Amino acid sequence: DGGITQSPKYLFRKEGQNVTLSCEQNLNHDAMYWYRQDPGQGLRLIYYSQIVNDFQKGDIAEGYSVSREKKESFPLTVTSAQKNPTAFYLCASSIGSGSRYNEQFFGPGTRLTVL
Amino acid sequence: AQSVTQLGSHVSVSEGALVLLRCNYSSSVPPYLFWYVQYPNQGLQLLLKYTSAATLVKGINGFEAEFKKSETSFHLTKPSAHMSDAAEYFCAVSDQRRDDKIIFGKGTRLHILP
Repeated sequence: DGGITQSPKYLFRKEGQNVTLSCEQNLNHDAMYWYRQDPGQGLRLIYYSQIVNDFQKGDIAEGYSVSREKKESFPLTVTSAQKNPTAFYLCASSIGSGSRYNEQFFGPGTRLTVL
Repeated sequence: AQSVTQLGSHVSVSEGALVLLRCNYSSSVPPYLFWYVQYPNQGLQLLLKYTSAATLVKGINGFEAEFKKSETSFHLTKPSAHMSDAAEYFCAVSDQRRDDKIIFGKGTRLHILP
């Protein structure tokens, strides 16, 4: 079945540690996205990539980093510079044909807790 | 710049009653609009989308939404609520500045009363 996988589902981190969240898709989509979700805040865009080896900052990129070395993979690193990293993180992808009406498909999410 | 506003962060309806979740958008160009649903601790799933083909859009699980340009609204409805509809619902609009980006509302949590 085609879809998006995120791992792990739950992640615990000590303060001062970097941690990497995995996102893989087998939908052959060009565009991929990372969102952060906090209660009552909706979804906020961290980074997005429209093509391999290229990515752009979203609205809340500070303290995060990404890479896009393969079309199917878009890992997110939460660095120690992120002041309040405890949140639910969602990865998404879309066809990325440059059309505004293409919907995004979401993974199941990773819940990160900083101890 | 585009934006969406969802009226009511929490909505409660009785099982079998009409579901109405409100969404108003702001856009200087013809918008493309989406409704997504999120069940607890899961990702988002597309319910329906408006792409200007028809103003009344039917989606999955019996939901539908009507695009009203004069009211800049895209409200989500379902004639009869079911317990399984309890979830969080997000209205979203495509970002005219950059293709493939979507701007999400803050969400409305739907509670179904037995």
